[in-house]
Amino acid sequence: QQQVKQSPQSLIVQKGGISIINCAYENTAFDYFPWYQQFPGKGPALLIAIRPDVSEKKEGRFTISFNKSAKQFSLHIMDSQPGDSATYFCAASRYNQGGKLIFGQGTELSVKP
Amino acid sequence: DAGITQSPRHKVTETGTPVTLRCHQTENHRYMYWYRQDPGHGLRLIHYSYGVKDTDKGEVSDGYSVSRSKTEDFLLTLESATSSQTSVYFCAISPAGNQPQHFGDGTRLSIL
Repeated sequence: QQQVKQSPQSLIVQKGGISIINCAYENTAFDYFPWYQQFPGKGPALLIAIRPDVSEKKEGRFTISFNKSAKQFSLHIMDSQPGDSATYFCAASRYNQGGKLIFGQGTELSVKP
Repeated sequence: DAGITQSPRHKVTETGTPVTLRCHQTENHRYMYWYRQDPGHGLRLIHYSYGVKDTDKGEVSDGYSVSRSKTEDFLLTLESATSSQTSVYFCAISPAGNQPQHFGDGTRLSIL
């Protein structure tokens, strides 16, 4: 049972372009939605996170857009750089469930110079 | 990086042997988690701990056990390893269940 579905599986973007990764979830009780960035040979690193009481959160070039009614959220990377090339994971959890994260399948982003 | 050390970083073993992976933290965080990462599946929670001697199952706990006898160490044991447990295993820590999790750099485990 895949509770968080992520797309696309892979993405190629030109330097300076916008990268968009989408996630959809099933459980309406989820109330915490983080995005993680992972480089080869490293563990995932928290990039940005959002709770369902806001529709958008921006940190630098990274923005999360959240649509509660559609049960979808997305990551936008503005002015994408080659250094952004990595695998990105969305996740979801419930506040009172001990932080048990349910991850999407991951998106491998490649930013071409 | 958050003070998380996973050991060993790489291990190759044979089917049927017991394997123990260690996660050590220096942050004094209450919560610790074990995930496995497989292509096409993202990361999946195996077990987690919310305090010394307090543990609970995740979504893929079959074939795994854990122990936490002190705050800084969380052990993951495969009692009798199978080839389906070949994976990359990540430990994560968090000060509380509703706080961000920070991950270690993983253990690559191959079971032949």
